[in-house]
Amino acid sequence: AQKITQTQPGMFVQEKEAVTLDCTYDTSDPSYGLFWYKQPSSGEMIFLIYQGSYDQQNATEGRYSLNFQKARKSANLVISASQLGDSAMYFCAMREDTELSFGAGTTVTVRA
Amino acid sequence: KAGVTQTPRYLIKTRGQQVTLSCSPISGHRSVSWYQQTPGQGLQFLFEYFSETQRNKGNFPGRFSGRQFSNSRSEMNVSTLELGDSALYLCASSPMGGQGSTGELFFGEGSRLTVL
Repeated sequence: AQKITQTQPGMFVQEKEAVTLDCTYDTSDPSYGLFWYKQPSSGEMIFLIYQGSYDQQNATEGRYSLNFQKARKSANLVISASQLGDSAMYFCAMREDTELSFGAGTTVTVRA
Repeated sequence: KAGVTQTPRYLIKTRGQQVTLSCSPISGHRSVSWYQQTPGQGLQFLFEYFSETQRNKGNFPGRFSGRQFSNSRSEMNVSTLELGDSALYLCASSPMGGQGSTGELFFGEGSRLTVL
């Protein structure tokens, strides 16, 4: 079974608007970590934000925030005030023990 | 401080050859993990090393192997290359990895392997 599900293959967003990328996960381990990464066409994987399973508050990093709903096993990424440079593939990932499981990714295209 | 460094960035090999990829983690990070990214299979976990010991291994054939040195640098090797091994190989480093670890998990720029 898929551990990480990203249901949006691609999204278009207008510059300066906010966009929400969906991510649901599946685990029976009470201790896990959730990550979001950005991968531009160059291929590098850029760390955006992290949420630990025991963290009480939603993580925020600049224009990125993670909407963590533990009971629903959901970890959506919100990008506020989108910029042209945000156009990339975005991956949600979950770490259990020493292994990261990735979703299929969502391609975000920011329009001017 | 310097990020995760992977070498070489690009390489072309032919079927049957072998390849060795290198990864230097962020200074102070002791855990190094490797991932394969292909258009068809997405990102898949290969293995993870901590203090020169392999702690976890993904579902890949024995042709894929790795090791970690005392300075935390890691190498992965693929023997008897097949066309399907063409992929972006990403290395990630973390202070500890596993349960109790923090959110620090950073990737290198990857090594793009093409097998002809």
